[in-house]
Amino acid sequence: QVQLVQSGGGVVQPGRSLRLSCAASGFTYSTRSMHWVRQAPGKALEWVALLFFDGKTQYYADSVKGRFTVSRDAFENTLFLQMNSLRAEDTAVYFCARDQGNSFGHSFDFWGQGALVTVSS
Amino acid sequence: DIQVTQSPSSLSASVGDRVTLTCRASQDIMTYLNWYQQRPGNVPNLLIYAASGLQSGVPPRFSGSGSGTDFTLTISNLQPEDFATYFCQQAYRTPYTFGEGTSLDI
Repeated sequence: QVQLVQSGGGVVQPGRSLRLSCAASGFTYSTRSMHWVRQAPGKALEWVALLFFDGKTQYYADSVKGRFTVSRDAFENTLFLQMNSLRAEDTAVYFCARDQGNSFGHSFDFWGQGALVTVSS
Repeated sequence: DIQVTQSPSSLSASVGDRVTLTCRASQDIMTYLNWYQQRPGNVPNLLIYAASGLQSGVPPRFSGSGSGTDFTLTISNLQPEDFATYFCQQAYRTPYTFGEGTSLDI
């Protein structure tokens, strides 16, 4: 069955970098677009980034554009979010999520368990 | 960016009630509107896709409707496990914005 297992969260100082991972099983990333979504403590969900199933086309929220990069390792079937120049306002739980596709309104049907990123000095 | 506004922000109800949550988009998004449920400490769970499609495994007491800019999520015969926060999300154009959520409690 489909599973998304995340790793890589932690505490990091402002200005530093961190990389999140999202390992998939039960499907291959070459068939589905994938998203990163975050949620600051007690706040709403915030869409962060999209990587199309082609592995190349990317979109980002303005709040992270130029600092975050989404990519994947097709061989390992793992999705990444490279986060550079981190700020306190990036503190959140980060989720990877699978896109069901256009016929399903680009809804997110499977989610990783989440990874807490805390940016603090 | 397309703004998505949910109302109410919170709602009190009882087991067995029928409730309706609303979501309004700042421009026409056709039916690219999805609804998620999130219980405290849990991962979001997809309920409704494309405004009215019931996601596999979701009980039929959940239903969605709407198109264009105005959408609703209706929950009939509320069950104890339905008390949670509900988010709508537009997926018409990036950034795929979420609403601020409606907290449904007893």
